Parts: sequence; C-alpha cells; structure tokens
Amino acid sequence: AQSVTQPDIHITVSEGASLELRCNYSYGATPYLFWYVQSPGQGLQLLLKYFSGDTLVQGIKGFEAEFKRSQSSFNLRKPSVHWSDAAEYFCAVGAGGTSYGKLTFGQGTILTVHP
Amino acid sequence: GAGVSQSPSNKVTEKGKDVELRCDPISGHTALYWYRQRLGQGLEFLIYFQGNSAPDKSGLPSDRFSAERTGESVSTLTIQRTQQEDSAVYLCASSKGGARDIQYFGAGTRLSVL
Repeated sequence: AQSVTQPDIHITVSEGASLELRCNYSYGATPYLFWYVQSPGQGLQLLLKYFSGDTLVQGIKGFEAEFKRSQSSFNLRKPSVHWSDAAEYFCAVGAGGTSYGKLTFGQGTILTVHP
Repeated sequence: GAGVSQSPSNKVTEKGKDVELRCDPISGHTALYWYRQRLGQGLEFLIYFQGNSAPDKSGLPSDRFSAERTGESVSTLTIQRTQQEDSAVYLCASSKGGARDIQYFGAGTRLSVL
C-alpha cells in the first residue's frame, strides 16, 4: 500500500527566508505526486503536481518541487517566503496507472512565517 | 457551479444522532471523493464515485458510514449513530475522473459530536 511521510509537523521561518518542506513516499511503481496547501477554513488548493518527465516541477505562488526517485522524495521549495504563505501543506501520492485518482496524504506541515 | 460546494459548513450533534453531509461537485466532473481530516492529521480517503460505476467504499471506517450519489450530481455522506471519534472535517473533492485529473476540494464540513 502507498504511504506518505511528512517528517516536519511544524516549521517556522522568517519572511524572505527560503523554505523546504520534506515529503517521502512509499509506492511500488512510478507515483503521481502532489502538493496541496490549506489555509484556515479553506479547502485544499493544488500547488503543483508530478506525473512524469522533468523531475523539477514549477507550481503556483512561486513554489517548486523536485522528484527524486532514488530517495523516494518530493520536497517542496520556495526561495523567498511571504507572510501569506503561512498555512498547512500536504503532500499526496496517487497510484499512477490505476483507473482513478485516489490520493494518500501525509499528515501535513504547518508553516508559520515571522515578520 | 464555480467550485465544489459543501453544506453545512459546521455541524454540531449529539452522540447517537444521525447526520447528513452534502457535496455539490463542479459541473461536468464525473468523479467525486469523500475524505476525512481529523485534528492534526492528514486526509483519509473514505469513498469514491465515478459515473455510474459501483463506488469504491474501501475507506469507510465502519458500517455506520454510507454515501450516495445520483448520476454525476450531488452526493450525501451519512453517519449513523454518531460517536465522538467521528468529530472531524469532512472534505469532498471532484475531478474529471482520470488518474491524472486534478481533484478540486470544497471547504469541508466541520462535524463536532458532543
């Protein structure tokens, strides 16, 4: 069965600092990988996704993520964090090759941004 | 509609009561998913509908949970004889149906069982 681990429950950074959120997955084949962001009281919004091809993917709001098969990782990065990035971030894996997109989510990482 | 709509946004109920949660997917989306998000945890898959195919109910935690969807329209998630451990945010998502199709999420229903 597939699984996702986000090792950091809570991360605090200063505004303008760089950010990396870690995500490790377990899946036997090539996974479909996603990062979602959830602001308080809101649903989840997709930041970016990886299906195949270039392992460095660009997303919305200046985020990017790199798929590293050898490390089973899909870490999310942003070079300069803005106060509005404070939210909870979820990594998810979909079973590529199945007939539908059932997702398995990590436990989430809460990002706090200090001014 | 423009996005996935869920109602009510908040529901407080007493232990042992039944509750119904509603999800209105994006028009034209054939796939609909229900997830549960307990406090401090990630999302757990509950159930999936795709068109007129039999739903995937593999994530439903007990027989107190059930869901229905008529065609490609509204879905309702019913929890019977609610327990305190059912307290969570219930999120609905819809997509065009393929493994590569993006799931769009509603804002969720926060269920509190007293």
